[in-house]
Amino acid sequence: DIVMSQSPLSLAVTPGEPASISCRSSQSLLNSNGYNYFDWYLQKPGQSPQILIYLGSNRASGVPDRFSGSGSGTDFTLKISRVEAEDVGVYYCMQTLQPPSSFGQGTKLEIK
Amino acid sequence: QVQLVESGGGVVQPGGSLRLACSASGFPFSNYGMHWVRQAPGKGLSWVAFIQNDGSNRYYAESVKGRFTISRDDSSNTLYLQMSSLRVEDTAIYYCAKPHDRWGQGTLVTVSS
Repeated sequence: DIVMSQSPLSLAVTPGEPASISCRSSQSLLNSNGYNYFDWYLQKPGQSPQILIYLGSNRASGVPDRFSGSGSGTDFTLKISRVEAEDVGVYYCMQTLQPPSSFGQGTKLEIK
Repeated sequence: QVQLVESGGGVVQPGGSLRLACSASGFPFSNYGMHWVRQAPGKGLSWVAFIQNDGSNRYYAESVKGRFTISRDDSSNTLYLQMSSLRVEDTAIYYCAKPHDRWGQGTLVTVSS
């Protein structure tokens, strides 16, 4: 089974400052079709998870351009160029390359 | 716009059964595989099951294998999760999810005597 490991598990950021979250998988998530089967989700307080980045680096519809995803294979990064108050919540990475699909532990972002 | 609405959650005794449903709209449901994911109170996300678009393959987390069955009805654009032999540790919010896209709002399952 593929194991997903996120870091850090929590971070506190001043509004307007950047933030970065890493996720590492125990196996490459790069499919033979050239896509990384890797997504980033944000779960805001009291809400269901919402897609931010899909297939490694594609920003989902409606997601502000301050969010960006990068990486390939086993190492991925989510960057927020300028954190805003509405970005608080728990960020999860997820792999869907092969079953069982799996999630990282989650990274809780708070505002300083 | 993709919309997923779960239903069927509730309180059930250990050993009992429950069937969850997820009504999908806003996309060609029959073209997509679908996930069920759960979240125990105060915990992270845990993948439960996946069904391919044509229903030919179904995959399960080890913790639910043999007890849960994922299925779909493309005529009604509905995804199902039949849960049996429920355990206290199955208590969670259950979400249906379109891969790389939206999730539903979830339905709460509580297993308690």
